[in-house]
Amino acid sequence: QVQLVQSGAEVRMPGDSVKVSCKASGYTFSLYEMYWVRQAPGQGFEWMGWINAANGYTKYSEKFQGRVTITRDTSATTAYMELSSLIPEDTGVYYCARNYNGLGAWGQGTLVTVSS
Amino acid sequence: QSALTQPASVSGSPGQSITISCTGTSSDVGAYNFVSWYKQDPGKAPKVMIYDVSNRPSGISNRFSGSKSGNTASLSISGLQAEDEADYYCSSYTTSSTVVFGGGTKLTVL
Repeated sequence: QVQLVQSGAEVRMPGDSVKVSCKASGYTFSLYEMYWVRQAPGQGFEWMGWINAANGYTKYSEKFQGRVTITRDTSATTAYMELSSLIPEDTGVYYCARNYNGLGAWGQGTLVTVSS
Repeated sequence: QSALTQPASVSGSPGQSITISCTGTSSDVGAYNFVSWYKQDPGKAPKVMIYDVSNRPSGISNRFSGSKSGNTASLSISGLQAEDEADYYCSSYTTSSTVVFGGGTKLTVL
């Protein structure tokens, strides 16, 4: 079955960067786009960007453009999301999700806390 | 890109039917049939309930249905059950090749 397993919780200082990984299994990794979505505490979802796992093409939300970098390692069937210049408002749960039949499979989420 | 507009809350009694609306623009909801609906239980990752406006993934009850008219999509749930109580979010692909989510609707089963 399709599984997306994300890296563990992170605590960062303002101004730091964080890199979250998303290990995919149960399907052919390169056939599907991987999306990244953020959920601030008690809030809804914000789409951050996606990557074409076959060719590495990326598309980012204007809100995060310049601060977010999504990459993938096809040999490791893993996608990554790096967010830089962190501010406290970046605190939240970050999800990866496979784009098939909507976002049909999601990772368990990674809590990123930004605090001094 | 502004978020899609959903009601903050809806409620219904067991057995009743409810509908959650999701209003966007001609650049997102109205542009393509790429609207999805997600259910999120507290502390859990979301789960897709409807994709491409009206398609149900395998395993999703036929009590859930989706539709779209112009710039507004809708999720309907019939025969409400206690387990349906959750937060529901819509999303749409946009003409800019981005994705926009709705603000979420809290469904309460009375």
